Amino acid sequence: DTGVSQDPRHKITKRGQNVTFRCDPISEHNRLYWYRQTLGQGPEFLTYFQNEAQLEKSRLLSDRFSAERPKGSFSTLEIQRTEQGDSAMYLCASSLDPGQGRETQYFGPGTRLLVL
Amino acid sequence: AQKITQTQPGMFVQEKEAVTLDCTYDTSDPSYGLFWYKQPSSGEMIFLIYQGSYDQQNATEGRYSLNFQKARKSANLVISASQLGDSAMYFCAMRGMDSNYQLIWGAGTKLIIKP
Repeated sequence: DTGVSQDPRHKITKRGQNVTFRCDPISEHNRLYWYRQTLGQGPEFLTYFQNEAQLEKSRLLSDRFSAERPKGSFSTLEIQRTEQGDSAMYLCASSLDPGQGRETQYFGPGTRLLVL
Repeated sequence: AQKITQTQPGMFVQEKEAVTLDCTYDTSDPSYGLFWYKQPSSGEMIFLIYQGSYDQQNATEGRYSLNFQKARKSANLVISASQLGDSAMYFCAMRGMDSNYQLIWGAGTKLIIKP
């Protein structure tokens, strides 16, 4: 399977715990995006990487959220001291560099987080 | 600021009929892209079709076509010969250069195909 993969698919945690999600993009894609989606809403941009560099982070993103892409391949998204409001679907997407033409973002299956 | 508006929260359509899902957008960027994605109940966001702002012809991908009316700032998705498997949420999204290529999303339309 050469699509975007995410792990875990589901995560249940208690408030105050830390969680980490992983995303493996399509291998030749150098851009990687993280989005959050709550029930009944469209996705909300969190952050994105160009290779290993994190180029933009949403102003809405709490300091409890951090993302890395250490070798320009897979990425991790960590949420520290989780709150019930963090419960959502976390989506990862990857794309080619927009300068190469079409920059369609392809999404993984998402990680559903429930904070109790 | 860029914005995507989907005015149809939900739609019911008879199987085998064509369906049009509305999307209007607002941007001051002369170069932008418009996307439609399908999200079944499983949660995965599936890319359907893309239209670039400078594309001369409306995009088509199998049963999907995009009715792009630039002057009206609309990018409606048309699904021909609907199937039961088309039941899902459908999202319109836009990217522009001034948004650093991140996607701006509409609220979505829930489409239900009736047998």
